[in-house]
Amino acid sequence: KQEVTQIPAALSVPEGENLVLNCSFTDSAIYNLQWFRQDPGKGLTSLLLIQSSQREQTSGRLNASLDKSSGRSTLYIAASQPGDSATYLCAVTEGSYIPTFGRGTSLIVHP
Amino acid sequence: GAGVSQSPRYKVAKRGQDVALRCDPISGHVSLFWYQQALGQGPEFLTYFQNEAQLDKSGLPSDRFFAERPEGSVSTLKIQRTQQEDSAVYLCASSLLGTGGNSPLHFGNGTRLTVT
Repeated sequence: KQEVTQIPAALSVPEGENLVLNCSFTDSAIYNLQWFRQDPGKGLTSLLLIQSSQREQTSGRLNASLDKSSGRSTLYIAASQPGDSATYLCAVTEGSYIPTFGRGTSLIVHP
Repeated sequence: GAGVSQSPRYKVAKRGQDVALRCDPISGHVSLFWYQQALGQGPEFLTYFQNEAQLDKSGLPSDRFFAERPEGSVSTLKIQRTQQEDSAVYLCASSLLGTGGNSPLHFGNGTRLTVT
């Protein structure tokens, strides 16, 4: 069974720092990997989707990389802002086509 | 609307009551997922529909849980004889493509169920 782990569980940083959030998974035969953000009391918002054939995806200040062989993905957030404060979750989809989620990294960016 | 809509937003049920949670996916989306999210945890898979077909219900925790999507659009998750351990946020997500397609998940804001 696929297991997804996210490190760190929580992170508090001053505004302006560049951040790296980590996601690891146990079964490397994945179909795609998605990164989401979740604000308190809300659903999840899709940030980036990386297909298994891709190495990275970029959207604005966000960059996500994928290394299938080592079972890892990183989400890089450049020049963090208070508005980036949220929980960030990764989800891995494999042969069953069912996305499996990690527990998330809770991020606080303080002014 | 443009996004996934879930209702009710909040539901309080007494133990033993039946509840029905509704999900309106984005129009034209083939795939629909239900997830359960406990406080501080990631979403846990419950069931998956491709159009009206329920292709996977392996995540439903007991036979008290039932889901349907009869016309391939709106879906309902029903919980019979609710128990306190059913208290959680129930999330619905839809995706444009079916199995084998790489399209992102779009989530609703969830229904927070509290069983007293």
